[in-house]
Amino acid sequence: EVQLVESGGGLVQPGRSLRLSCTASGFTFGDYAMGWFRQAPGKGLEWVGFIRSKAYGGTTEYAASVEGRFTISRDDSKSIAYLQMNSLKTEDTAVYYCTRDRRVSYYYYYMDVWGKGTTVTVSS
Amino acid sequence: EIVLTQSPGTLSLSPGERATLSCRASQSVSSSYLAWYQQKPGQAPRLLIYGASSRATGIPDRFSGSGSGTDFTLTISRLEPEDFAVYYCQQYGSSLRTFGQGTKLEIK
Repeated sequence: EVQLVESGGGLVQPGRSLRLSCTASGFTFGDYAMGWFRQAPGKGLEWVGFIRSKAYGGTTEYAASVEGRFTISRDDSKSIAYLQMNSLKTEDTAVYYCTRDRRVSYYYYYMDVWGKGTTVTVSS
Repeated sequence: EIVLTQSPGTLSLSPGERATLSCRASQSVSSSYLAWYQQKPGQAPRLLIYGASSRATGIPDRFSGSGSGTDFTLTISRLEPEDFAVYYCQQYGSSLRTFGQGTKLEIK
């Protein structure tokens, strides 16, 4: 069974850092791009960013709202994707979802598998 | 940024009825790179449709997608009790992936 499990969420003060993990199983992790999305309480879905597979350079793309503060990385040997979040703001409070991204071109991907999410609360 | 506007905001129907959900884009969506997701309370979104009209693996054939350019539609032919949820359209034809605000499908 294809599965993604996020972990690492919690309560953190503004300005601090947090690292989320996404552990994958049931598929060849290294063959896929991996993405992160978030959903603030009572709000819609927002794309955070993604990392391409090594076959496509392992490069990353980010939403403007997190560019320079968040970093996505991957460890294909462990089937884990990471979201390093620095300089956190109260508006980063959300449920964070990990996704498996299916490639249609170098730039364009859709998400075919989602994890259940992990909650991040940024508050003093 | 491509802005997606979904209508209606809330749709009240009964099981067995047909549901038609609309998604309009502020500019043409490249190559019909549009997807639909279903989300139930406390759960992750689930992919229903990609490429505007292709059903994802395991999705019942009562779900269908259509449209191109700026206008897209998700149709559920005969509503089952488990179909009542929030539905999001999402475009992936630009470097910034964006979502609609969602349509809540509720039991009448």
